[in-house]
Amino acid sequence: KAGVTQTPRYLIKTRGQQVTLSCSPISGHRSVSWYQQTPGQGLQFLFEYFSETQRNKGNFPGRFSGRQFSNSRSEMNVSTLELGDSALYLCASSPGQGGNEQYFGPGTRLTVT
Amino acid sequence: GENVEQHPSTLSVQEGDSAVIKCTYSDSASNYFPWYKQELGKRPQLIIDIRSNVGEKKDQRIAVTLNKTAKHFSLHITETQPEDSAVYFCAAIDSGTYKYIFGTGTRLKVLA
Repeated sequence: KAGVTQTPRYLIKTRGQQVTLSCSPISGHRSVSWYQQTPGQGLQFLFEYFSETQRNKGNFPGRFSGRQFSNSRSEMNVSTLELGDSALYLCASSPGQGGNEQYFGPGTRLTVT
Repeated sequence: GENVEQHPSTLSVQEGDSAVIKCTYSDSASNYFPWYKQELGKRPQLIIDIRSNVGEKKDQRIAVTLNKTAKHFSLHITETQPEDSAVYFCAAIDSGTYKYIFGTGTRLKVLA
């Protein structure tokens, strides 16, 4: 099976703009989670979608939002970008029920200038 | 809420020695405990996991132990090699919410 893919891989935006990141899970996986990773920091959980519904949410401001489509692909949107949003954004997919193994995509490196 | 503490934050060992990383979780409902390895510039990779009905699991040079009573689990790497150098993350998953809670990571350096 193909692995988790994310697009774009790199992105440069300016403060105040908005950005949309995309994640395609492993075929058959119905759960997609998003994480923010900054240098020296761990994996900060943003949210998780399962069957097009947000099932879990982390402690991020409302500027961070997401959605999941019927084919399980997921998008994450960040509005009104701030310098502190510069980070590696990782998505991970899992079957969602029964099996719990979660597999990560390569990430999108977002730089806000 | 659920919390996972991971220690140490950095660990340096000589090649061939063993390395042990420990994690403690707070939610007794957690029933799945994976470990991820993240090399520089790469994605986290699942290297081993353990479920709450098992006390120990081995895969070649790596092993994970789980103590449900004490709510802690550990990663053991034997005969370390330079390619084991990476950041390792533990996680605990609540079977009810399916939410992953990650530890803060351990940077392992294997000195040749």
